[in-house]
Amino acid sequence: QQQVKQSPQSLIVQKGGISIINCAYENTAFDYFPWYQQFPGKGPALLIAIRPDVSEKKEGRFTISFNKSAKQFSLHIMDSQPGDSATYFCAASIGTSGSRLTFGEGTQLTVNP
Amino acid sequence: EAEVAQSPRYKITEKSQAVAFWCDPISGHATLYWYRQILGQGPELLVQFQDESVVDDSQLPKDRFSAERLKGVDSTLKIQPAELGDSAMYLCASSAQETQYFGPGTRLLVL
Repeated sequence: QQQVKQSPQSLIVQKGGISIINCAYENTAFDYFPWYQQFPGKGPALLIAIRPDVSEKKEGRFTISFNKSAKQFSLHIMDSQPGDSATYFCAASIGTSGSRLTFGEGTQLTVNP
Repeated sequence: EAEVAQSPRYKITEKSQAVAFWCDPISGHATLYWYRQILGQGPELLVQFQDESVVDDSQLPKDRFSAERLKGVDSTLKIQPAELGDSAMYLCASSAQETQYFGPGTRLLVL
């Protein structure tokens, strides 16, 4: 059962543009929502994460927007750069530390110079 | 900066052979995870350890996969016998609190 659905599968933006990736979840018990960035041949690296008690979290050029009633959350990358070209995964887990992550299918982002 | 170490980075084997992967988590991290990532998909948890104890192995194909973390530090994941469908990236992660830190992975190709 796919509990976290991610879209789009691939995304091409121009340098300086805004990249938006969306995720939807089914399990209302999820209460931790991280985004991971993965470069080819590397393991995923945590980018930013949010808990459902806030609707938005911003760190530098990266912003998570969270809509609890719609069970959706999204990643916005402002002023996208070619170095941002990577695969992005949303994920969700239940509880605090030590919980399994359920990942989305991934979005391959290409930022053209 | 501390990192999760994994070896080997790449492994090619023939079906029905045995393979083993090793992971050394970040020092002090009590929780260790093994994920499998099929090309073009997100990682899926195979097994989770809290210190030396297995806390979640519900998705581990126990007829051919085994995992251990004998002293609560490093861990080994074994597949015997390997099947063609096992070709994937095997990722190890560790955590002390809510953030999971991933290693570079072992890419397995079963011929």
